[in-house]
Amino acid sequence: DTAVSQTPKYLVTQMGNDKSIKCEQNLGHDTMYWYKQDSKKFLKIMFSYNNKELIINETVPNRFSPKSPDKAHLNLHINSLELGDSAVYFCASSRGGGTSSYEQYFGPGTRLTVT
Amino acid sequence: DAKTTQPPSMDCAEGRAANLPCNHSTISGNEYVYWYRQIHSQGPQYIIHGLKNNETNEMASLIITEDRKSSTLILPHATLRDTAVYYCIVREGGAGGTSYGKLTFGQGTILTVHP
Repeated sequence: DTAVSQTPKYLVTQMGNDKSIKCEQNLGHDTMYWYKQDSKKFLKIMFSYNNKELIINETVPNRFSPKSPDKAHLNLHINSLELGDSAVYFCASSRGGGTSSYEQYFGPGTRLTVT
Repeated sequence: DAKTTQPPSMDCAEGRAANLPCNHSTISGNEYVYWYRQIHSQGPQYIIHGLKNNETNEMASLIITEDRKSSTLILPHATLRDTAVYYCIVREGGAGGTSYGKLTFGQGTILTVHP
């Protein structure tokens, strides 16, 4: 059983298009994240949602809009795609709340190529 | 979150122990040390974490120095499948606080296990 799944795995599109990436977790976690890994392999957090509420919004262009319809899903919609958006996008989830430490579980990634 | 320093690459012979060092001299009292790894083209995978005490699980052992300024991840019997980028990350515990569980990835250590 896949814990954190993403669709699609590969996405090739042209500049200016709008696209969405979907993420689902079946771990019962409260918190979900989106990370971006660029061509230089740096992994950077973009967003985090806890119980469907946005709690982290790093300096990301507002062309990127996350949507969390419920605790198990966090989708990423990107408007007006640019060449620089080409990257691998990873979704992750973890338990949330409290003062303990919680590990994050990552999905397999979505490789986005903008031409 | 405190910054970490890791060697860019290391080699290890199959079957031998792999010892990956990490410096985190500015770590504060409520920050945990986490280790993740990323096998080529896959999502990052949680390995282990700790606060003060040494920790061991089925994947690895984590040795944290008494002053908490450095740590070592030990893979006791490295296999070819352990070839990956290993990330040492320091962050506040829990999904609350100011980091909300955010993981800040550095460049990591590329571990190559050879036959």
